[in-house]
Amino acid sequence: AQSVSQHNHHVILSEAASLELGCNYSYGGTVNLFWYVQYPGQHLQLLLKYFSGDPLVKGIKGFEAEFIKSKFSFNLRKPSVQWSDTAEYFCAVNGSGNTGKLIFGQGTTLQVKP
Amino acid sequence: DTEVTQTPKHLVMGMTNKKSLKCEQHMGHRAMYWYKQKAKKPPELMFVYSYEKLSINESVPSRFSPECPNSSLLNLHLHALQPEDSALYLCASSQDGTSGWGDTQYFGPGTRLTVL
Repeated sequence: AQSVSQHNHHVILSEAASLELGCNYSYGGTVNLFWYVQYPGQHLQLLLKYFSGDPLVKGIKGFEAEFIKSKFSFNLRKPSVQWSDTAEYFCAVNGSGNTGKLIFGQGTTLQVKP
Repeated sequence: DTEVTQTPKHLVMGMTNKKSLKCEQHMGHRAMYWYKQKAKKPPELMFVYSYEKLSINESVPSRFSPECPNSSLLNLHLHALQPEDSALYLCASSQDGTSGWGDTQYFGPGTRLTVL
């Protein structure tokens, strides 16, 4: 069965610090990979996604993620965080044999201190 | 436009009430989803509709009854809920109703449900 693991449950950073959130998945086949963000009191928004091609994916608000197939990883990065990046971040996977079903990680709470 | 709308935003109901949640999208998407999300937890899939037909039911209790009247609308009918059903209920849609593979789900703002 597919699973997604986010290693950092709660991250606290100061503004301008660099961010890297880990995401590992377990699935032997081809995957689609996603990062969603949920700002306080708001709905899930798509940050970025990887389907195929360049493993370095750029998303909205200065975020990027790198797919490393050999490590089954899809880590999220941002060179300089802002207070407004405070939110819950979810990594999600859709495997090629998993019709219509997104598997979410447990989420990472990011708190950015001004 | 990647907007999915949900009504109501908040709902408080008793355990004997019957209520419905509504979801609407006008992006021409052919797959629609219901998720349940508890605080600080990831969304949990409940149902998937593909081309207006129920394609996935994640063993959800029968007190939750989904309905897809047309390709733009998705309802979730609630009856005899329990306090532990209190949660944020999210609707999502995606373009491809056939396999879900290579597809992106767009989420609505959710309905915050409280069961007393």
